[in-house]
Amino acid sequence: SQQGEEDPQALSIQEGENATMNCSYKTSINNLQWYRQNSGRGLVHLILIRSNEREKHSGRLRVTLDTSKKSSSLLITASRAADTASYFCATDAYGAQKLVFGQGTRLTINP
Amino acid sequence: DARVTQTPRHKVTEMGQEVTMRCQPILGHNTVFWYRQTMMQGLELLAYFRNRAPLDDSGMPKDRFSAEMPDATLATLKIQPSEPRDSAVYFCASGTTLTGPRRTEAFFGQGTRLTVV
Repeated sequence: SQQGEEDPQALSIQEGENATMNCSYKTSINNLQWYRQNSGRGLVHLILIRSNEREKHSGRLRVTLDTSKKSSSLLITASRAADTASYFCATDAYGAQKLVFGQGTRLTINP
Repeated sequence: DARVTQTPRHKVTEMGQEVTMRCQPILGHNTVFWYRQTMMQGLELLAYFRNRAPLDDSGMPKDRFSAEMPDATLATLKIQPSEPRDSAVYFCASGTTLTGPRRTEAFFGQGTRLTVV
């Protein structure tokens, strides 16, 4: 069963705009991670945020976590064509010691 | 350049045949995951191992699927007999778990695209 659910399922924006993707989950977590998948490739880890953190930055990425709402958001600023990919959140649920992925958001950046 | 290696990259087989997918985790990683990705179901966790011991294979159909780690450098996923509904991309990922707060960043292989006809 899926732990995380991303919203929206698909997002199409113009190059240079910001892209925001959301993830909701169901159970208590140790951490939440975001991954990117280019077409036909494996997933690549982007950023990890621990349950006691509220915000984290990495380059053009900004991740927030609201454990009271069991939700997270990924913001990509100043998007580029190369950001076109699917983005997944994954939760390391408390006590489970495993990573469970959501369905992903397909992001398209139009030049 | 450490990476997870999966073989084969592509496999086409006839229904009823045995399929074996192999994964070489990153040296030093003690956790190995097997995921299956389809358009309909997304990424499903099939099984995972820690220190070569299976911790959870509840996502795996037991009657036809089996996962093993004969040694620390090799993980295998077998399907016998294969069925058309098994067609998917199978990913192996490896990682380490640090003591708490736990950290389970996963490094993915390129996947095995399986087609059962």
